[in-house]
Amino acid sequence: DQQVKQNSPSLSVQEGRISILNCDYTNSMFDYFLWYKKYPAEGPTFLISISSIKDKNEDGRFTVFLNKSAKHLSLHIVPSQPGDSAVYFCAARAGTNAGKSTFGDGTTLTVKP
Amino acid sequence: GAGVSQSPSNKVTEKGKDVELRCDPISGHTALYWYRQSLGQGLEFLIYFQGNSAPDKSGLPSDRFSAERTGGSVSTLTIQRTQQEDSAVYLCASSYTGTQGETQYFGPGTRLLVL
Repeated sequence: DQQVKQNSPSLSVQEGRISILNCDYTNSMFDYFLWYKKYPAEGPTFLISISSIKDKNEDGRFTVFLNKSAKHLSLHIVPSQPGDSAVYFCAARAGTNAGKSTFGDGTTLTVKP
Repeated sequence: GAGVSQSPSNKVTEKGKDVELRCDPISGHTALYWYRQSLGQGLEFLIYFQGNSAPDKSGLPSDRFSAERTGGSVSTLTIQRTQQEDSAVYLCASSYTGTQGETQYFGPGTRLLVL
């Protein structure tokens, strides 16, 4: 049973437009959510996180929205840039402190110039 | 260096051989994680260290897998009697917990291919 799902394996958007990456989870114990970006041959890089006490967290061009009742979160990138092209992983955890994260399978974002 | 380093970067081995993968975390980070990523899939948690102890080993897939951490720093992941299904990228991460919660920093990974 996959507890964190990213149903879109790929997404293609035009430079300057909005990218929306989606993530669904099933475990109601999850209360801390993270997004990572991964370039080929590199490890994932932390992007942004959100605690379940919030429904939105913004950092520059990146905004994460959390809908707890739907067990859904999304990452918005505005405006999208070609350098944003990468694989984006959603991850979830029970607690904000150290502990294992459960990852989705990733969505490959391509931003076309 | 300032980041998490892993060695080797690539490892090709024959089925049945043992392999050792090494992780050097960021200095001062007390938490250390091992994950693996099979082709086209997400990261699969293997084991988590807090200092030298491993409070969560729940992700180790079989008793062929073991890990240790010494001096609260370097960690080694050992796979005994490797199988072809062990082929994957093995990622290590270290972390600190600040006011915004925990942030994990990943190394570049070790690409293991078992022939």
